[in-house]
Amino acid sequence: GDSVTQTEGLVTLTEGLPVMLNCTYQTIYSNPFLFWYVQHLNESPRLLLKSFTDNKRTEHQGFHATLHKSSSSFHLQKSSAQLSDSALYYCALNNYAQGLTFGLGTRVSVFP
Amino acid sequence: NSKVIQTPRYLVKGQGQKAKMRCIPEKGHPVVFWYQQNKNNEFKFLINFQNQEVLQQIDMTEKRFSAECPSNSPCSLEIQSSEAGDSALYLCASSPGTGGYEQYFGPGTRLTVL
Repeated sequence: GDSVTQTEGLVTLTEGLPVMLNCTYQTIYSNPFLFWYVQHLNESPRLLLKSFTDNKRTEHQGFHATLHKSSSSFHLQKSSAQLSDSALYYCALNNYAQGLTFGLGTRVSVFP
Repeated sequence: NSKVIQTPRYLVKGQGQKAKMRCIPEKGHPVVFWYQQNKNNEFKFLINFQNQEVLQQIDMTEKRFSAECPSNSPCSLEIQSSEAGDSALYLCASSPGTGGYEQYFGPGTRLTVL
């Protein structure tokens, strides 16, 4: 079945520094949909970015990611982290009518 | 902001008891998903519907869970005989379609099985 592997555990960084969360995936389908969801404390997940186009950069709220099918990757980046970026980040994929397959999540803590 | 409604927000059951939770998808969204988020914050997809029809479900859902999305009524997910390992946050999400559409999540029902 499908699987998603992302940067594990906790990422701590100082406000203003760049952040990069890795995401790689495995699927038998040639045209998967890739997502990044963010979940703040005591909230439900919400979509941050999505893509299904190879080698096209997608951006939202200062975050960006590019789907690279050649390496099965969809890394999340931001040039300057803010305190409000502290949250759980999930990389996920699906194919057509299927539910999302999530990675295990990465907790990001941004300190002043 | 998501307009998916889930009830109840909290549910406490004893082992072997039935546990039922409901979801009203966002208006105009024909596709509904149920996920389980465990205490380690890991997600597991359970089942999804398009209108009233099941699109996909995992083995666990087939055996101990029942779910439906009747027309003009809330969707529901019911655990027939709760086990301690079922304690988790159950999230309902709705979507305008299948594939690359965004899924909008509700606030979840937190189930505790004593």
